[in-house]
Amino acid sequence: QKEVEQNSGPLSVPEGAIASLNCTYSDRGSQSFFWYRQYSGKSPELIMFIYSNGDKEDGRFTAQLNKASQYVSLLIRDSQPSDSATYLCAVPDNTDKLIFGTGTRLQVFP
Amino acid sequence: KAGVTQTPRYLIKTRGQQVTLSCSPISGHRSVSWYQQTPGQGLQFLFEYFSETQRNKGNFPGRFSGRQFSNSRSEMNVSTLELGDSALYLCASTLWTGPDEQFFGPGTRLTVL
Repeated sequence: QKEVEQNSGPLSVPEGAIASLNCTYSDRGSQSFFWYRQYSGKSPELIMFIYSNGDKEDGRFTAQLNKASQYVSLLIRDSQPSDSATYLCAVPDNTDKLIFGTGTRLQVFP
Repeated sequence: KAGVTQTPRYLIKTRGQQVTLSCSPISGHRSVSWYQQTPGQGLQFLFEYFSETQRNKGNFPGRFSGRQFSNSRSEMNVSTLELGDSALYLCASTLWTGPDEQFFGPGTRLTVL
């Protein structure tokens, strides 16, 4: 089992809808979780990160953690075509290096 | 505040050659991590440097090496290039060491012919 897994997509949602992206992780002791967005041809940029003690909301973005099922979600409300990108989930391993999932491609159509 | 810079942005090399890539972190950041990104494997961790010391290393052969200077700038070197080394090489800057907010540079696109 890979340490961090994501569905590659594409996930297609209409403009204005909620996009829900999931990421499963294998280390039950993981304490922090990171979401990056990567536009085609660009480098990843950090959207948000959460710790194991709670969810987090930042504007249209919400990160939620389900420790029992070992997955973390990123919800994007009121999705816009400009949100179309690949979303990468990253979780530190037991040596503190970030392990990235292969990403989920999101397409928001008008 | 200036972001992370990487040079060169593009490189074309042939098999057997070696290459050196450079990364300047955000001012004040002490940690630099390097990643290889390919369509098939995604982002793979190469190594992390903090205070001129390699703090962490991924599962890459010894042909991949790096170093960090006292001003936190970092270089990575790949010797005896192989076709499979063609990738986007990204460096990421962090204020301190450990899993924290990483800010990525624009990357160096390496093509090995």
